[in-house]
Amino acid sequence: GNSVTQMEGPVTLSEEAFLTINCTYTATGYPSLFWYVQYPGEGLQLLLKATKADDKGSNKGFEATYRKETTSFHLEKGSVQVSDSAVYFCALSRDGGSQGNLIFGKGTKLSVKP
Amino acid sequence: GAVVSQHPSWVICKSGTSVKIECRSLDFQATTMFWYRQFPKQSLMLMATSNEGSKATYEQGVEKDKFLINHASLTLSTLTVTSAHPEDSSFYICRPSRLAGTDTQYFGPGTRLTVL
Repeated sequence: GNSVTQMEGPVTLSEEAFLTINCTYTATGYPSLFWYVQYPGEGLQLLLKATKADDKGSNKGFEATYRKETTSFHLEKGSVQVSDSAVYFCALSRDGGSQGNLIFGKGTKLSVKP
Repeated sequence: GAVVSQHPSWVICKSGTSVKIECRSLDFQATTMFWYRQFPKQSLMLMATSNEGSKATYEQGVEKDKFLINHASLTLSTLTVTSAHPEDSSFYICRPSRLAGTDTQYFGPGTRLTVL
C-alpha cells in the first residue's frame, strides 16, 4: 500500500545551519508529494509540493525535489532560522491531487537554537 | 487569521463519557471534511471522510458507532467520541476541503483529548 517514511526527530540545529529532513515513499501510480509544517499551537500548513517526477517544490527558502528513481522527497534549507522551529510532515496524495486524502509520515520536530 | 477553528483545543474527560469536537471553516464552504487522529510520535491517520449532507465514510478499523461524524452544513462538522476510553486519548485534527481544483489546503489546529 501507500506509505511515507521520514526521519525521526527531534532535530536540533544552530541558526544558519543546513537542514535536511529525509522522506521516502511507497505508492502505486504517480502520487503528488507534499511537505507540511506545524508551528506550535497552529494547524498544519502546506509548505511546498511537487506533482510529478523531477519537479522541485520551493517556499520560504525550503526546497524538495520529487525523485522517482529513489522514491524520495527530501526537504532542504540552506540556512535555518529560529522561526523555522516546528514539526515537519511529509505526505503523499493517494488520489493524486491536493484535495484528496493525504497519507502522512510521522513528523520530524525541528528545533533551531540561536 | 485562522481559516479553520476547532473547539475545544483540549479536553479531559472521564472514561465512559462522550466528547464532541467542533470544526468550523471560517472563510470558505467545505464540501468535504477529513478527520484525522494522531497518536504521540505517530503519523496523522485518516479516520473518516464526510461530504456535506451525507453519511461519513470510515477507514478500516475505525468504529463508526464510536466516532460519530456530522457534517450538516458547509461550515461546520462535528466529531463525537462516544463512551470514551483511555485508548481514545489522542490528537484529533480536521481538514475541511473545498471543491477539487483549488490548491489551498487548510487544517484545524487540533483537539487534544485525554480520557482518564
